[in-house]
Amino acid sequence: EAQVTQNPRYLITVTGKKLTVTCSQNMNHEYMSWYRQDPGLGLRQIYYSMNVEVTDKGDVPEGYKVSRKEKRNFPLILESPSPNQTSLYFCASSFSAGLTDTQYFGPGTRLTVL
Amino acid sequence: DAKTTQPNSMESNEEEPVHLPCNHSTISGTDYIHWYRQLPSQGPEYVIHGLTSNVNNRMASLAIAEDRKSSTLILHRATLRDAAVYYCILRDRDNYGQNFVFGPGTRLSVLP
Repeated sequence: EAQVTQNPRYLITVTGKKLTVTCSQNMNHEYMSWYRQDPGLGLRQIYYSMNVEVTDKGDVPEGYKVSRKEKRNFPLILESPSPNQTSLYFCASSFSAGLTDTQYFGPGTRLTVL
Repeated sequence: DAKTTQPNSMESNEEEPVHLPCNHSTISGTDYIHWYRQLPSQGPEYVIHGLTSNVNNRMASLAIAEDRKSSTLILHRATLRDAAVYYCILRDRDNYGQNFVFGPGTRLSVLP
């Protein structure tokens, strides 16, 4: 089944403790992206990747890192999480960044930083 | 900034058609109109997209105004499973990789 998977689905952590949220897709997509969703602010893009080893900042990249060493994986790294990074995170992928390409979203990771 | 405006919420009765409007008065000639929806506790999912002509698929229809400044997503027979937030998104050539801007969307409630 074609899908985007994220792990973990739920995470409670403390300020400053490094964490990684994994994202994997099995559709051989070139384009991958991370979003965060907050009440009243909607979905905002954090980082995106056009292909392996090609990443770029979205609208809200501060406090996050990403890497794209393999086509299927696009982990989101929080080196020193802070409470304002408490949010619902979605990973997405599409064949490319083409204007007609469909984005497939993962199920989400709910992160709480205490 | 989101380039689209949608009503905050709408309500429909089950098995009746639903017309979800979207205004995009600053749309350019090469912008595609996409609709996604987000069911409760899930990630967004693709519904439909179009450029100029009306489009139909198994999920919905998309009616695009002749001047392209507005569009309407049509669910022909709403079911309880269609209760979701519906997002109208313009995808354009500017900021090529960063062109997915979600606004607040329309929260659709479907009454049994």
